[in-house]
Amino acid sequence: EAGVTQSPTHLIKTRGQQATLRCSPISGHTSVYWYQQALGLGLQFLLWYDEGEERNRGNFPPRFSGRQFPNYSSELNVNALELEDSALYLCASSTTGSKQYFGPGTRLTVT
Amino acid sequence: GQQVMQIPQYQHVQEGEDFTTYCNSSTTLSNIQWYKQRPGGHPVFLIQLVKSGEVKKQKRLTFQFGEAKKNSSLHITATQTTDVGTYFCAGVLGNEKLTFGTGTRLTIIP
Repeated sequence: EAGVTQSPTHLIKTRGQQATLRCSPISGHTSVYWYQQALGLGLQFLLWYDEGEERNRGNFPPRFSGRQFPNYSSELNVNALELEDSALYLCASSTTGSKQYFGPGTRLTVT
Repeated sequence: GQQVMQIPQYQHVQEGEDFTTYCNSSTTLSNIQWYKQRPGGHPVFLIQLVKSGEVKKQKRLTFQFGEAKKNSSLHITATQTTDVGTYFCAGVLGNEKLTFGTGTRLTIIP
């Protein structure tokens, strides 16, 4: 069974640009979660999508947004990039309320 | 909002010594999960505890859920180099999202 996949693996952007990160959940999982992990720090919850709808949102500005598609894959968009947005962005999937399976992450670098 | 704290933030132990990380929630939890993240890797699910006072073991790892369902601990007996990584607890309140703790980074001194 394929695990959670994320693309791209690495992404380099300049300040002010927009970044789009993608996630494909494990087959059968309807929930997708996005986390930000700055270097050496913990997991900061960004967004939770389930059945195509946003269920919960972390304490991040509106320039962090996303969506979930009918096939349950998801996109995270970050507009007006700032230097402090540089981090590892992790996607996880689950059946609602159960353990989460994480993807390998996208390393975003903003210069 | 719900907060989950872990202590210590860092722990350095000699190989063969024991290790414990503690997790505390500001609110009563429905269940608690534990994850391990190896250096350069992504978090991997270890276990879920649901019942008050529950204790589960996985080889050298022992997980406990407090009676009040507000705290939990992970104890590793006789650490090995393969135990290196950051251990996160994550609490669930009702049908809400998982709230991850701050993590404990374990370093093993050979």
